[in-house]
Amino acid sequence: AQSVAQPEDQVNVAEGNPLTVKCTYSVSGNPYLFWYVQYPNRGLQFLLKYITGDNLVKGSYGFEAEFNKSQTSFHLKKPSALVSDSALYFCAVRDPFYGNNRLAFGKGNQVVVIP
Amino acid sequence: GAVVSQHPSRVICKSGTSVKIECRSLDFQATTMFWYRQFPKKSLMLMATSNEGSKATYEQGVEKDKFLINHASLTLSTLTVTSAHPEDSSFYICSARDREAASATHFGYGYTFGSGTRLTVV
Repeated sequence: AQSVAQPEDQVNVAEGNPLTVKCTYSVSGNPYLFWYVQYPNRGLQFLLKYITGDNLVKGSYGFEAEFNKSQTSFHLKKPSALVSDSALYFCAVRDPFYGNNRLAFGKGNQVVVIP
Repeated sequence: GAVVSQHPSRVICKSGTSVKIECRSLDFQATTMFWYRQFPKKSLMLMATSNEGSKATYEQGVEKDKFLINHASLTLSTLTVTSAHPEDSSFYICSARDREAASATHFGYGYTFGSGTRLTVV
């Protein structure tokens, strides 16, 4: 079965500092990996994905993530955090082996960027 | 880009009444729609998966008679919370999968989320 772990509940970072949100996954085959951001009382907005190809994926709003197969990780990063990056971040994985198109989500990380 | 419209954004209803939530794909055909429930500071819990023209597949522990899902067309799916109780109060989010984008590398690989519905049962 597919699963995602986001080990930290909350990530605090000072504005201008690098931001990292951790994610590890478990799937049977090669994973499709996603990051989403959610602002209060809103749906999820797509940030980036890894399907195949280059392990370093660049996405929206200056975010990037690196797929590491040996560590089964897909950490989200941003070189310089903004106050507006404060939100809830979800990592998700789809296991194409199962063919059911479902995404499995991590529990989410609250990111707080301190001015 | 792909847009999913979810209505209403907020609804307050009395205990025992039913509430319908709509999820529409505005510029694409959604062969599959997913309905999630999100508790405060918690992840998304998949409730059911619906394919156009067929019955929804419910996750274990989700009452199909309480959470009625209809996916009558390629652009519309509805979730009806029947005989709502205060414990049904939650944030409900739909997600639509674009049949065309599902094999493409844009639009998040075909998963687009609605803006969510805050249901409060009093």
